[in-house]
Amino acid sequence: EIVMTQSPATLSVSPGERATLSCRASQSVAGYLAWYQQKPGQAPRLLIYGASTRATGISARFSGSGSGTEFTLTISNLQSEDFAVYYCQQYNNWPPWTFGQGTKVEIK
Amino acid sequence: EVQLVESGGGLIQPGGSLRLSCAASGFTVSNNYMNWVRQAPGKGLEWVSVIYSGGNTSYADSVKGRFTISRDHSKNTLYLQMNSLRAEDTAVYYCARGGNYGSYWGQGTLVTVSS
Repeated sequence: EIVMTQSPATLSVSPGERATLSCRASQSVAGYLAWYQQKPGQAPRLLIYGASTRATGISARFSGSGSGTEFTLTISNLQSEDFAVYYCQQYNNWPPWTFGQGTKVEIK
Repeated sequence: EVQLVESGGGLIQPGGSLRLSCAASGFTVSNNYMNWVRQAPGKGLEWVSVIYSGGNTSYADSVKGRFTISRDHSKNTLYLQMNSLRAEDTAVYYCARGGNYGSYWGQGTLVTVSS
């Protein structure tokens, strides 16, 4: 099973700044990586798939990059609604979907 | 509009059984890959099971032999039958549509396994 590791666990960012989240896979997942956003009490929401393709309705402030074992989610010009927990998930070798442990983006 | 609505969660004693439902609208469950994903309190996401459009199924090792995923075409509903429940099964259970990734998710239903 592929293990996904996210860093940092918590990221403190001021509104208007940029946040950079990392996700590493224990073996190559090519470009088969998704990112989700989850707010308290809500279900996860798909942000990015294919490592860099934004899902329908997702703001251009969210961008994904990477391939193989190293991936990045960048959130530019952070807005109040962006403070949440973000998960990466690989689908190169599934089932199972395997998720990272999450990165919490909090207000600095 | 795609909607997924889970139900059936609650408080259950260890060793008990529970069946979760996920009622879908805006698409046909039987034509899609459908998953269950759970999240223990304060923890991350854990994939539980998938039913493919062809009807085959797959399970996480942690639930294999205890949980059964199924669907009812006439009701356009996904199910998760959970038997021999353990304290570590306590979680919010989400249904999610998608093969490679979860494109749509329900709001979740809480299952608490405790005596």
